[in-house]
Amino acid sequence: KNQVEQSPQSLIILEGKNCTLQCNYTVSPFSNLRWYKQDTGRGPVSLTIMTFSENTKSNGRYTATLDADTKQSSLHITASQLSDSASYICVVAGGSQGNLIFGKGTKLSVKP
Amino acid sequence: DTEVTQTPKHLVMGMTNKKSLKCEQHMGHRAMYWYKQKAKKPPELMFVYSYEKLSINESVPSRFSPECPNSSLLNLHLHALQPEDSALYLCASSQEGVGGSNYGYTFGSGTRLTVV
Repeated sequence: KNQVEQSPQSLIILEGKNCTLQCNYTVSPFSNLRWYKQDTGRGPVSLTIMTFSENTKSNGRYTATLDADTKQSSLHITASQLSDSASYICVVAGGSQGNLIFGKGTKLSVKP
Repeated sequence: DTEVTQTPKHLVMGMTNKKSLKCEQHMGHRAMYWYKQKAKKPPELMFVYSYEKLSINESVPSRFSPECPNSSLLNLHLHALQPEDSALYLCASSQEGVGGSNYGYTFGSGTRLTVV
């Protein structure tokens, strides 16, 4: 069964600290893996997208990694800001119809 | 233009009303999608249009009726909704149709729907 699992479910950190979010997937065939940031009540905004051959990609303070062998990805946030408070969703494109399979997200709260 | 625009941003409707949600993109994307998202849950796929034809309907009740007038527009017509249909409705688009590359997958900001 195609699944995407994220951990932790929620996370609270202090402003300025770093954090890492995890994503494990069992999706076949695999096309690409995306990380989205979603503010409450708003649509998801793409942070990174990685294909099978890419193992790291950065977007400002966000760095995503992908290990296609172990089917794991991580999103590292450096020097967190209050505006980073949001849900971070790992999404894998693949399966028989190339659909997007969503993780349940990690809710990040950055406190002053 | 790299955006998917959804209107309205908020909508409150009664159970006997008829309303429509609108979605527009000018990126030349050939696939467009409707999602429903309840609070603290991931988005759930409702419909997919590929090259202006309905290609996926995820067993959505008939009180939701999608329409794709042209390659840039996607509507979701609502009729006789229930309070449990209250949710964030997201539109998305991608470069190619179903089975093709979904690179460039872009979400709109959503319509917050409340059924009273």
